[in-house]
Amino acid sequence: NAGVMQNPRHLVRRRGQEARLRCSPMKGHSHVYWYRQLPEEGLKFMVYLQKENIIDESGMPKERFSAEFPKEGPSILRIQQVVRGDSAAYFCASSPTGTSTDTQYFGPGTRLTVL
Amino acid sequence: GDSVTQMEGPVTLSEEAFLTINCTYTATGYPSLFWYVQYPGEGLQLLLKATKADDKGSNKGFEATYRKETTSFHLEKGSVQVSDSAVYFCALRAGRGGSNYKLTFGKGTLLTVNP
Repeated sequence: NAGVMQNPRHLVRRRGQEARLRCSPMKGHSHVYWYRQLPEEGLKFMVYLQKENIIDESGMPKERFSAEFPKEGPSILRIQQVVRGDSAAYFCASSPTGTSTDTQYFGPGTRLTVL
Repeated sequence: GDSVTQMEGPVTLSEEAFLTINCTYTATGYPSLFWYVQYPGEGLQLLLKATKADDKGSNKGFEATYRKETTSFHLEKGSVQVSDSAVYFCALRAGRGGSNYKLTFGKGTLLTVNP
């Protein structure tokens, strides 16, 4: 059973460009979580999605950031007009249900560098 | 809000040495506590967890005990191996109610074990 897949693993963008980060959850998992790790910081929650629904986006910046998890295909975290402060590692996790006893399984992360 | 504080690294040990990585937390209610490990180039993997006071989580020779009186969840291993070299993250998830799917992480501790 393949784990959580994220691509690309490394992404370099210039200021003002768009970044698209993809996450394919584990087979059978319909709950996806995105976390961001800024340099010298712990992972911080950004957004929680189920298929076709955003459940909680309280950790996501209000501007330039959006996330989706369509019925078919991977979850996408989209950052428009990137700035240097967006440079970070972005981790995706998935779980089979959204209950408090669920284990979240993490992908290897996408390391975004904004020049 | 909830927070996790873990000892800063890096920690460098010789093989077979005793390991302690301190972790304390601040949370309302009765959170679940976790240790995740990230090996180079990989995603975070759940190492162990404890869901209530005085529970001891254990896995692969690692142990941690949920101490509510000291709000701590220190990670220990009696004899480390070179293969234990990784980054270790302490994390909590809120108890019942509210946003109990969010994980709150510490900054991570890099452990290097030398032969």
